[in-house]
Amino acid sequence: QVQLQESGPGLVKPSQTLSLTCTVSGGSISSGSYYWSWIRQPAGKGLEWIGRIYTSGSTDYNPSLKSRVTISLDTSKNQFSLKLSSVTAADTAVYYCARDAGGWWYFDLWGRGTLVTVSS
Amino acid sequence: DIVMTQSPDSLAVSLGERATINCKSSQSVSHSSNNKNYLAWYQQKPGQPPKLLIYWASTRESGVPDRFSGSGSGTDFTLTISSLQAEDVAVYYCQQYYTTPFTFGPGTKVDIK
Repeated sequence: QVQLQESGPGLVKPSQTLSLTCTVSGGSISSGSYYWSWIRQPAGKGLEWIGRIYTSGSTDYNPSLKSRVTISLDTSKNQFSLKLSSVTAADTAVYYCARDAGGWWYFDLWGRGTLVTVSS
Repeated sequence: DIVMTQSPDSLAVSLGERATINCKSSQSVSHSSNNKNYLAWYQQKPGQPPKLLIYWASTRESGVPDRFSGSGSGTDFTLTISSLQAEDVAVYYCQQYYTTPFTFGPGTKVDIK
């Protein structure tokens, strides 16, 4: 079955760019009508949707983060990526990649999450 | 943005008893074209990602025990655990997928009394 796995640095310095990758296994990232999303969760807090990318490459971002976020797709590697620029301590969180249900935008598949800490 | 609120923040229920969680959206998440409510519920246990329980406000995801049920429409929704089991201890979140940015409620923590 399809699985998602986040990867990337666990520590990022303030003002730098956070970069994460989600690797899709067990299926092609290009097949089906799926959106691939990034969602984050600060420790002990709730969930925040960051943005998503469609298999065509079109993107939607949360306006609260839009000026700092880029989500891209690499179909050759079966991956999609997140870049968040100018990070501060407020960006410290567990970052999840997730897939929607194929045409309907609830999330039926999640990665295990990766903790990113912003600190000097 | 559609703001999601949940109540209570936390609750403790005896094993085998009913647990009820409420979720309210700042605007309707019901689409007039198909009469569907764009509302999902998730369960999150410590150290794990959220797990989808319910979508379309009342449709159980495959494999989810039937003690979990969802109801409501428009702006007011409820997740009910009919007979709480030890493995149900978790934080529960509602999410609207009516429009971007998709938003989640702040979560309700369920414990055993």
